[in-house]
Amino acid sequence: AQTVTQSQPEMSVQEAETVTLSCTYDTSESDYYLFWYKQPPSRQMILVIRQEAYKQQNATENRFSVNFQKAAKSFSLKISDSQLGDAAMYFCAYRSGTYKYIFGTGTRLKVLA
Amino acid sequence: DTGVSQNPRHKITKRGQNVTFRCDPISEHNRLYWYRQTLGQGPEFLTYFQNEAQLEKSRLLSDRFSAERPKGSFSTLEIQRTEQGDSAMYLCASSLTIGTPMGYGYTFGSGTRLTVV
Repeated sequence: AQTVTQSQPEMSVQEAETVTLSCTYDTSESDYYLFWYKQPPSRQMILVIRQEAYKQQNATENRFSVNFQKAAKSFSLKISDSQLGDAAMYFCAYRSGTYKYIFGTGTRLKVLA
Repeated sequence: DTGVSQNPRHKITKRGQNVTFRCDPISEHNRLYWYRQTLGQGPEFLTYFQNEAQLEKSRLLSDRFSAERPKGSFSTLEIQRTEQGDSAMYLCASSLTIGTPMGYGYTFGSGTRLTVV
């Protein structure tokens, strides 16, 4: 069975600084997708960034980028120039052929002014 | 289209009562998913529909839980004889699988928070 592990329950970052959130996963499949979702307090989950396992190039979306290490089964999220609006729970998620997600336990990101 | 809508936002019920939640997906999305999120945990898969067909149910979905998606539009999730352990956020999401790559993400609703007292 696939698993997703987020070992950082909480992280803090100063506004305008850079922070990296960690995620590791375990799977025996070769074709899958990895995602980072953001869940602000009392608001819906929003897709931040996704990565196809077959692509070697790391995905980038504006201030958000990933470091995808397939052999190590690691998928970290880097947030550059952190903003107050980035404060939220961040979930790492795995998905393969069934379309259903397996989520990690989340990392709460605090942004300090 | 205003996204995925879930009602009610909050529900407090007494143990043993039945509750029903509703999810209205994005209209052109053919897949609809239900997840449960307890405090401090990530969402856990419950079930999903492709159009009106329920294609997969998690073992988390006991026989007290039932979900429907009549006519492939909105969906309801009913919990019978609620227990305190059912207290959680119930998330609905939808996606379009026709003409989109498999890596396309879901659109989530804001969830229904259930408290069983």
